[in-house]
Amino acid sequence: DAGVTQSPTHLIKTRGQQVTLRCSPKSGHDTVSWYQQALGQGPQFIFQYYEEEERQRGNFPDRFSGHQFPNYSSELNVNALLLGDSALYLCASSSTTGGRETQYFGPGTRLLVL
Amino acid sequence: GNSVTQMEGPVTLSEEAFLTINCTYTATGYPSLFWYVQYPGEGLQLLLKATKADDKGSNKGFEATYRKETTSFHLEKGSVQVSDSAVYFCALSRNSNYQLIWGAGTKLIIKP
Repeated sequence: DAGVTQSPTHLIKTRGQQVTLRCSPKSGHDTVSWYQQALGQGPQFIFQYYEEEERQRGNFPDRFSGHQFPNYSSELNVNALLLGDSALYLCASSSTTGGRETQYFGPGTRLLVL
Repeated sequence: GNSVTQMEGPVTLSEEAFLTINCTYTATGYPSLFWYVQYPGEGLQLLLKATKADDKGSNKGFEATYRKETTSFHLEKGSVQVSDSAVYFCALSRNSNYQLIWGAGTKLIIKP
């Protein structure tokens, strides 16, 4: 049973560029949440997708957007990158039937903005 | 608002010592509470959880009890091993929206 997978593992971009990160949820999960984890800090909630719609959003600007596909996989897009966007981006999946509060995390994508 | 406060690290212990990592929370309603662990270079792993008052979560020798009267969810282990060295995060989830709200993390270092 595959867990949550994310790609790519690492990414280097320059200011002003755009980036797309990808996530495949754990088998049987239908809800995907995205978090940003700055170095030495706890994760911060970006948004959550269920039934291909954004259901919850944290305190992040509109530069951060996402999408969920019919197979429940998800993308996180960040436009007009800033140096402060450098962080580990974590995807978590959960199940509406198994208890959406319990989230399982992927290994993350480490983004460096130069 | 909702928040989680953890004891600051690093916490350094010798192998086989008793571990306590304190976690307190502020939340409306009845949140679910979690401990996650992050080993060096890896993602977050769910360690244990508790969904209602007085519940005890346990896994791999770690335990935490949901104390509503003291709004706490302290993590304990009777005898730590070098392999327990990691960063431990306390988190809560409000059942109305399932966002996880996190503490800042506590780095645990176990010396042989």
